[in-house]
Amino acid sequence: AQSVAQPEDQVNVAEGNPLTVKCTYSVSGNPYLFWYVQYPNRGLQFLLKYITGDNLVKGSYGFEAEFNKSQTSFHLKKPSALVSDSALYFCAVRDYTGGFKTIFGAGTRLFVKA
Amino acid sequence: AAGVIQSPRHLIKEKRETATLKCYPIPRHDTVYWYQQGPGQDPQFLISFYEKMQSDKGSIPDRFSAQQFSDYHSELNMSSLELGDSALYFCASSLGSGQYFGPGTRLTVT
Repeated sequence: AQSVAQPEDQVNVAEGNPLTVKCTYSVSGNPYLFWYVQYPNRGLQFLLKYITGDNLVKGSYGFEAEFNKSQTSFHLKKPSALVSDSALYFCAVRDYTGGFKTIFGAGTRLFVKA
Repeated sequence: AAGVIQSPRHLIKEKRETATLKCYPIPRHDTVYWYQQGPGQDPQFLISFYEKMQSDKGSIPDRFSAQQFSDYHSELNMSSLELGDSALYFCASSLGSGQYFGPGTRLTVT
């Protein structure tokens, strides 16, 4: 069965430090992977996606994600965190077998301290 | 544990018809979000409600309207349907933090 796991409920980092938000997935075919961010009381905003090509994908607000097929991971990264990055981050995988379907992870809350 | 319920799961309508999608949030969740995901597209945020009041508005067409009722369930009303409205419509609910997604309603407009 297709699934997405975000093993950390919460990630705390200091401003200026690098951040990583983890995501692992399980799909039957080639994965289409996404990261979304949700700020308080707002809807989801698209950050980046991996369809094919370079394993390192660059997205909005300085975020990037690394696709690792052998580890079935798609961790979200940023070299230098900002306090304004504090939000809820969702990893998602799209599965096209039997009709397309998007599966979201449970979300990871990122706290960036000044 | 109870999850977000959406009904119907599948809906087929003709052009210019009207459709109503329903979302039942997780018990005690006070916020509902609606998203539209077209074929091969990323989910697009439509609208959200907090405590029965509209809290945020995204790319919701004027032909669509939504509301949240006293029992916190929400309905998305879609009128004058167009072929391009064919999509998967997700609802999500939250209470303060986190967001839990429903299975989606697949709308096909013919």
